[in-house]
Amino acid sequence: GAGVSQSPRYKVAKRGQDVALRCDPISGHVSLFWYQQALGQGPEFLTYFQNEAQLDKSGLPSDRFFAERPEGSVSTLKIQRTQQEDSAVYLCASSLGTFSYEQYFGPGTRLTVT
Amino acid sequence: GQNIDQPTEMTATEGAIVQINCTYQTSGFNGLFWYQQHAGEAPTFLSYNVLDGLEEKGRFSSFLSRSKGYSYLLLKELQMKDSASYLCAVDMNRDDKIIFGKGTRLHILP
Repeated sequence: GAGVSQSPRYKVAKRGQDVALRCDPISGHVSLFWYQQALGQGPEFLTYFQNEAQLDKSGLPSDRFFAERPEGSVSTLKIQRTQQEDSAVYLCASSLGTFSYEQYFGPGTRLTVT
Repeated sequence: GQNIDQPTEMTATEGAIVQINCTYQTSGFNGLFWYQQHAGEAPTFLSYNVLDGLEEKGRFSSFLSRSKGYSYLLLKELQMKDSASYLCAVDMNRDDKIIFGKGTRLHILP
């Protein structure tokens, strides 16, 4: 079956622009996670959904970051008024359960803010 | 704060054995993950240890000591395709987030 997909794979935005990153999880996976990964670093947790409920958004770096999963499937991470420090790879992962379950990662969206 | 330490880079020879260590100090602990990440690709799951001891899975084994806050990933019969970053991640408890280490970049020489 299909894995986790993300689009776009690459995004270049000018500073101040808004961007929207999409994640299609594995069908039937209850949990969905967003991570930010800077070059040479491990993924850093941003937010977590269980079905359509956003249960933890403590990792979102500022109020410019917003995530939603309205129907408990596809999720969108939106970044408003992008800044250069937002440049990173944004990874989405899904799993059958919560944090103790294996997470299946998508290929990521590489965001470059110029 | 939460802290996960692993070496930044390691080099090993094709056919050899390499051990990648991970130490952690976290406010909670439920289990420890190892993920493999090839450059430019998504992390893929290798192992999840909850109990102390060694778990073997083909060429890869993972060890955990909860009392020492220590884990290692052992890779045997190294192949060129094992060149990747290896991420240690702590699952702090059932309802909390996973904390990843910075990853260890493993280079395999022919």
